[in-house]
This record gives sequence, structure tokens and C-alpha cells, in this order.
Amino acid sequence: DAKTTQPNSMESNEEEPVHLPCNHSTISGTDYIHWYRQLPSQGPEYVIHGLTSNVNNRMASLAIAEDRKSSTLILHRATLRDAAVYYCILRPYNAGNMLTFGGGTRLMVKP
Amino acid sequence: ETGVTQTPRHLVMGMTNKKSLKCEQHLGHNAMYWYKQSAKKPLELMFVYNFKEQTENNSVPSRFSPECPNSSHLFLHLHTLQPEDSALYLCASSQGAGARYTFGSGTRLTVV
Repeated sequence: DAKTTQPNSMESNEEEPVHLPCNHSTISGTDYIHWYRQLPSQGPEYVIHGLTSNVNNRMASLAIAEDRKSSTLILHRATLRDAAVYYCILRPYNAGNMLTFGGGTRLMVKP
Repeated sequence: ETGVTQTPRHLVMGMTNKKSLKCEQHLGHNAMYWYKQSAKKPLELMFVYNFKEQTENNSVPSRFSPECPNSSHLFLHLHTLQPEDSALYLCASSQGAGARYTFGSGTRLTVV
């Protein structure tokens, strides 16, 4: 399976934008890029996913590099409630039901 | 509340006990999963059920026994566990292959 590389941790100030990077240099053409986050004492929750084009939803934006070897999850205005571990996951379109987690990035938000 | 409910939230059991974890979803999903999250380790997929049939067993020891009586309920039966089995056990569900997962809040298990 193609792997992703994320920084172990990042810090942000409240009400400022946050850019969470993910490298996936061995991505294949049929891999979707998924992001989940895990708030303290909770299970992971879906954030966003994309294939080639940038994507926006009410939680975040996903910017995908033109060569697809990296992507960035953008939180436009971080709040204290966004403090969580963020996971970038590659998921082949024919992966069936498999969702494999890596170590993720722990985001700390300072007031 | 995510739509996936796990009980109990916390469980302490001795190594000779038998206990069960329960997961319930009313999202109409047809696939359910058990994951294990140990301290400082990534989430590990344990079992996958599609339409009540087990389709994945990720080399899980037999002291963990899953049961899926219908598409809405999933159990994890535990017996003769070891202290290293202490972890957060997470249940998830999804609607079909490739769909997003919805996770429960997990059961924090401590084996003493």
C-alpha cells in the first residue's frame, strides 16, 4: 500500500489558518486522498477526501498538488475544538472496505 | 453522537474473565469494523464484516471473537486476555466499499 508521511505534531494559534501537510510520493493514479481526525477521547471522524481537484466542505479544504505527490488540509480558522490528531490516508478506489491509519499529525491550538 | 454507539465506555477485567463489547449502528450501513488503538500506536484493523459475513481477520488472536448477528450490531467477545490487550477498541461502520467510515467513541479496556 502507498504510504503517507506527516509531521508528528504542529501548533497553531486560535482563529488563524492551519495548513497540515501530507506527502505521498508513491501514490498511484487510483488512490483517493482521505483525511480523518480524532478528537480527544473520541473515535476518528471523516473530514474530507479528493482525487485530483481541490475540494472544499464545511469543515476544511483539501489542496492537492498537481503531481499528486503531496496534499494539504486547510483549516481556515482554527478553534480550540480543532485540536486533534489528523490522519492523511491513501485509499485505492478498489480497496473494498479497507481504511488503514498511520501515525497522523497532532494539532495543538493555542488560545 | 455519531450514530455508532459502543458500550460499555470503560471496562476493567481480569485475565480470567469473559466479557463482551457491543457496537450498534442505525445508519443503515452494511459494513462494520473493529479497530484496536494501543497507546502510541496507529489504529489497527482487527475484523471486517460485510452484510454480516466476516471478510477480514487481521491475524487477531483467538482470545478475541467477533460476532455480527445482523447488519446493525457487532460484538467483540473477550476471554483470557493479557495486560498488553489493554487499549481503546473502536467500532466503525460504512455503507459499501470506498464509503466514509463512521466511528463510535470506543471502549477503553484495561486488563489487570
